[in-house]
Amino acid sequence: ETGVTQTPRHLVMGMTNKKSLKCEQHLGHNAMYWYKQSAKKPLELMFVYNFKEQTENNSVPSRFSPECPNSSHLFLHLHTLQPEDSALYLCASSQDQGNEQFFGPGTRLTVL
Amino acid sequence: DQQVKQNSPSLSVQEGRISILNCDYTNSMFDYFLWYKKYPAEGPTFLISISSIKDKNEDGRFTVFLNKSAKHLSLHIVPSQPGDSAVYFCAARDQTGANNLFFGTGTRLTVIP
Repeated sequence: ETGVTQTPRHLVMGMTNKKSLKCEQHLGHNAMYWYKQSAKKPLELMFVYNFKEQTENNSVPSRFSPECPNSSHLFLHLHTLQPEDSALYLCASSQDQGNEQFFGPGTRLTVL
Repeated sequence: DQQVKQNSPSLSVQEGRISILNCDYTNSMFDYFLWYKKYPAEGPTFLISISSIKDKNEDGRFTVFLNKSAKHLSLHIVPSQPGDSAVYFCAARDQTGANNLFFGTGTRLTVIP
């Protein structure tokens, strides 16, 4: 595998479900990001991890819970989501925060 | 409040002609600007960037121009090819604080063969 991978690519879940999104980067980067992309809106930064430490939480509701066990892996744990949380969730990585970010293909999430 | 704006949601250009995508920003502390291209079902891919100390950066068919006084940047693609059809995102880095990127809403470019 090369670059940034995300699984699953598509996810449909009910409001009471618990699910997790997974991201893995094979680039040796030390910073990883979660973004949300909703229709006709700019990419919204959710969380940033630098050397496994969370450096940014952009006022994200607690029903989204990130986890970064090491510099190569990033998870987004989801529980009791709302229909308005339906969006494309993109993971990215970079060598140091602020440099060019490399994105994964995203997870298309639908909350019923 | 959106700090990076792409006011044209779509643009159609004939193959071989020039495509010009525009981006405006409001934050004078942005020091680095990037363009990303996104195909359907893929994540955005980095295309070209420019530092605030420059006013032009060129890479093959792609040139980015920065006008700091107008807080405006543009991406020129010449000549345009059908494979350039994608959504283009402008992004800017805030040099204060955490160096995070701020993205525009994107412009969908269609190059007509």
